[in-house]
Amino acid sequence: QQQVKQSPQSLIVQKGGISIINCAYENTAFDYFPWYQQFPGKGPALLIAIRPDVSEKKEGRFTISFNKSAKQFSLHIMDSQPGDSATYFCAASKRDTGGFKTIFGAGTRLFVKA
Amino acid sequence: NAGVTQTPKFQVLKTGQSMTLQCAQDMNHEYMSWYRQDPGMGLRLIHYSVGAGITDQGEVPNGYNVSRSTTEDFPLRLLSAAPSQTSVYFCASSLRWSSGNTIYFGEGSWLTVV
Repeated sequence: QQQVKQSPQSLIVQKGGISIINCAYENTAFDYFPWYQQFPGKGPALLIAIRPDVSEKKEGRFTISFNKSAKQFSLHIMDSQPGDSATYFCAASKRDTGGFKTIFGAGTRLFVKA
Repeated sequence: NAGVTQTPKFQVLKTGQSMTLQCAQDMNHEYMSWYRQDPGMGLRLIHYSVGAGITDQGEVPNGYNVSRSTTEDFPLRLLSAAPSQTSVYFCASSLRWSSGNTIYFGEGSWLTVV
């Protein structure tokens, strides 16, 4: 059962354009929503994260928009650059018996054309 | 700090063979875990540990064993390799057992079972 649905699977954007990746979750117990960036041949690394008590978080060219009522959140990459070409995973975390549980989306492969 | 180190980087196994993927972290993190990454499936949790001597199953544990004898090491054992275990495996760690903590990933181990 996929608890975090991510779309699109792949995305091609022109240099300077805006990349938008969307995620939806089902369980309202999730209380932390990170995005991870993965370059080819490397492990994922935390890019940016948000708590559900805010609707937006911005770090440089990267912004998370969060809609608690719709149970959706999205990553916006402004002025996309070829160096942003990577796979992006959204995730949702919640406290669980014995600790916490993080569920990852299926991933979006972003290619930024120069 | 080396972070999370996993070996080997690449491995080819024959069906029925066993092997161990090694993982070590030097950040004194309590929480360690193993994920597998398959196309269109995102990152799926295999096993995790909240501290030395404590392990538990994740989402896809069948065919894998783990142990945590020290804080630093968390090896993943494939008991009798099957083609369905062809995947990219990531070891990961987090400082504490909390939903808001960053997950640090190793660089991955590419496993092919023929």
